[in-house]
Amino acid sequence: AQKVTQAQTEISVVEKEDVTLDCVYETRDTTYYLFWYKQPPSGELVFLIRRNSFDEQNEISGRYSWNFQKSTSSFNFTITASQVVDSAVYFCALSEAAQGAQKLVFGQGTRLTINP
Amino acid sequence: DAMVIQNPRYQVTQFGKPVTLSCSQTLNHNVMYWYQQKSSQAPKLLFHYYDKDFNNEADTPDNFQSRRPNTSFCFLDIRSPGLGDAAMYLCATSGQGAWEKLFFGSGTQLSVL
Repeated sequence: AQKVTQAQTEISVVEKEDVTLDCVYETRDTTYYLFWYKQPPSGELVFLIRRNSFDEQNEISGRYSWNFQKSTSSFNFTITASQVVDSAVYFCALSEAAQGAQKLVFGQGTRLTINP
Repeated sequence: DAMVIQNPRYQVTQFGKPVTLSCSQTLNHNVMYWYQQKSSQAPKLLFHYYDKDFNNEADTPDNFQSRRPNTSFCFLDIRSPGLGDAAMYLCATSGQGAWEKLFFGSGTQLSVL
């Protein structure tokens, strides 16, 4: 069965600190897709990034970066120079195909609080 | 502009009284999903529509039903809400396939009295 583990339930840092959110996944599929979503207090989940299992290239987007390592089944997310607006719950998710659509298996989420 | 719209934002219902939550999309996506999210938990998939094909998750209670009259609209019906059904209900859409990213609405927070 597919599983995603986000061991950090809550993280609190002071603004401008760097912070890394961990994500470890389990799957027996050779082809799979990984996602990160952000859920601010407004409630709407917002897509951040996706990766397929054949693409281990790390990605940087502004202050955000992602480190995908198949050897350790991890897909970690780093925010550099954090800002108060980064405060949210962050979900890592693994996608499996389901009748033309997809079923996202979410981790439990990490609540990130950035303090001024 | 919002692309996935859920109404209402907050819904209060009485124990056992049927309630309907609505979702509409302007993205013309094939797939629409309903997720249930309880406090401090991850979203849990209830069911999805691929075009008109309805796909129920095995552990979704029979109390939960859905309708999709056309591409743009999808409804979640809770026939007899219990206290345990109080949650945030999230609608999402995507294109076809496991690679597609989901677009979520802002959710409907359901309270059951």
